[in-house]
Amino acid sequence: GIQVEQSPPDLILQEGANSTLRCNFSDSVNNLQWFHQNPWGQLINLFYIPSGTKQNGRLSATTVATERYSLLYISSSQTTDSGVYFCAVGTDGNKLVFGAGTILRVKS
Amino acid sequence: NAGVMQNPRHLVRRRGQEARLRCSPMKGHSHVYWYRQLPEEGLKFMVYLQKENIIDESGMPKERFSAEFPKEGPSILRIQQVVRGDSAAYFCASSPLGGSRGYTFGSGTRLTVV
Repeated sequence: GIQVEQSPPDLILQEGANSTLRCNFSDSVNNLQWFHQNPWGQLINLFYIPSGTKQNGRLSATTVATERYSLLYISSSQTTDSGVYFCAVGTDGNKLVFGAGTILRVKS
Repeated sequence: NAGVMQNPRHLVRRRGQEARLRCSPMKGHSHVYWYRQLPEEGLKFMVYLQKENIIDESGMPKERFSAEFPKEGPSILRIQQVVRGDSAAYFCASSPLGGSRGYTFGSGTRLTVV
């Protein structure tokens, strides 16, 4: 099956810093999403981005489907950005395959 | 519009007992997906259901696990004779028309087997 690798596995930032999270996948996909799991365990959908670039406030994401990777940018990080960021891909239109996640800690 | 509702939020079971996890999809959503998150891992797909039908159960363990989504009421994930390795967070997602693009996840049920 398709493999999804995320890097770095964990990251510590000072508040206000910028960061880039990466997601590599091993096969063509028709769906790619980024999720944030907050410290209470809730999963929030950040982006649906099988290709191209999108921005939402301080967050933006870019997927280069031909090269099988996606990047999530977080600018001017805040303590509320802490949590785990998951990349998830889909090939059959229904189920998603998740990466292992990047644990982000933002210090004030 | 309430989101996807999962209950209970936390469930403790002794080894050998049964665990029943409930998921009420968003209003108007007739497609439900269950995922399991083991400690410090990503989510793994278990099963996809529509009303009264199991569409894809390729991620379900062959024994002790079952799922249903009846015509009326919530979807139920049932784990019989729980073991310590079943301890995990179980998430449910729903979508209106099927397809992973429209997923909305619930807050999960954290199962602890003691």
